[in-house]
Amino acid sequence: DAKTTQPPSMDCAEGRAANLPCNHSTISGNEYVYWYRQIHSQGPQYIIHGLKNNETNEMASLIITEDRKSSTLILPHATLRDTAVYYCIAGNDYKLSFGAGTTVTVRA
Amino acid sequence: GAGVSQTPSNKVTEKGKYVELRCDPISGHTALYWYRQSLGQGPEFLIYFQGTGAADDSGLPNDRFFAVRPEGSVSTLKIQRTERGDSAVYLCASSLNRGVENRLPYNEQFFGPGTRLTVL
Repeated sequence: DAKTTQPPSMDCAEGRAANLPCNHSTISGNEYVYWYRQIHSQGPQYIIHGLKNNETNEMASLIITEDRKSSTLILPHATLRDTAVYYCIAGNDYKLSFGAGTTVTVRA
Repeated sequence: GAGVSQTPSNKVTEKGKYVELRCDPISGHTALYWYRQSLGQGPEFLIYFQGTGAADDSGLPNDRFFAVRPEGSVSTLKIQRTERGDSAVYLCASSLNRGVENRLPYNEQFFGPGTRLTVL
């Protein structure tokens, strides 16, 4: 799986959009980008995934650059319940390779 | 509906003892995964089952770790001669099928709450 790089932490104001960057410059053509999040004391939760097109679901949007070397997860209206560690994973395998993720704190 | 459940939620044991951790996947999910998460780190893959067989056990750290899924549903992770370094949260996940690699739609992994293992 390709290595991913994420900022260790970021703050976001409640009600505002949260934009979470991820770098995956060594991603190969058949590797997907997945995002999971982990709320304190819970197991990880799937958010979204994509290959090269932008994707949107009820939780978030995923914007992948044309060269696929980076992506951004967008939480359109962050709430306090979105406070969690967010993991960006690049791969094409059932083995999810979690890094350290980004700790996102949503503040009122 | 019911999600993935894991028991016990917490397990404290002494160095050298044997422990079993149980995972009940979502009904109908054929794929089951075990991960281990140490403090401050992301989960690390241990083993993957497709049905009753362990399709990939490459993440098991050594031969003290073993997992079974005899009827293709419930799985048990077994750790012999526990060591202090085995202390971690052990997470189980399940999914409908393997997805992606065999060109089926990606099926997200649903995680349980984990078992926190402490080896004294």
